[in-house]
Amino acid sequence: EAGVTQFPSHSVIEKGQTVTLRCDPISGHDNLYWYRRVMGKEIKFLLHFVKESKQDESGMPNNRFLAERTGGTYSTLKVQPAELEDSGVYFCASSQPAGGPDTQYFGPGTRLTVL
Amino acid sequence: RKEVEQDPGPFNVPEGATVAFNCTYSNSASQSFFWYRQDCRKEPKLLMSVYSSGNEDGRFTAQLNRASQYISLLIRDSKLSDSATYLCADYLGGGKLIFGQGTELSVKP
Repeated sequence: EAGVTQFPSHSVIEKGQTVTLRCDPISGHDNLYWYRRVMGKEIKFLLHFVKESKQDESGMPNNRFLAERTGGTYSTLKVQPAELEDSGVYFCASSQPAGGPDTQYFGPGTRLTVL
Repeated sequence: RKEVEQDPGPFNVPEGATVAFNCTYSNSASQSFFWYRQDCRKEPKLLMSVYSSGNEDGRFTAQLNRASQYISLLIRDSKLSDSATYLCADYLGGGKLIFGQGTELSVKP
């Protein structure tokens, strides 16, 4: 079974540019989560989708971040315009319907560098 | 105060040693906790769940102390392959995990 995949693995952009990160969850997983790790800090929750609906977006830093999950399959996280402090590793995770955190599988992450 | 706190280490131990990590949490209502393992530049992988008093899986034992609000991870007979960063996480419900900063372990020959 394929795991959670994320694209791209690395992205280097300049301040003010736009970047879109993609996450493909494990097939059949209704729950999709985005997390971020800024250098030197802990992994922080950004938001949670159940199918195409945003269940909890309390961790989104500001309105420069937009997450979508049209059709309830893959998800995108757009940062526009990017700022220096947005640099970090963005992880996506997915879990089965009504799954607890035991079943939360993480993708390899996208390493974003904003110059 | 951070919601979940860990000693960042690094912990440098010889092969075969026993090592223990602690993780403190601030939410007294929390019920479920998890230990994840993260290798360098890789994704976190679930190592153990801690729901009540503790959990044991081979060389790994996790314990929860609700009175003092901490969870611990004990690794016995350390292997070189145990070298990684160990993350503890508090489950706040609805799938939301609150992670600590992680504790780095380096097992030397």
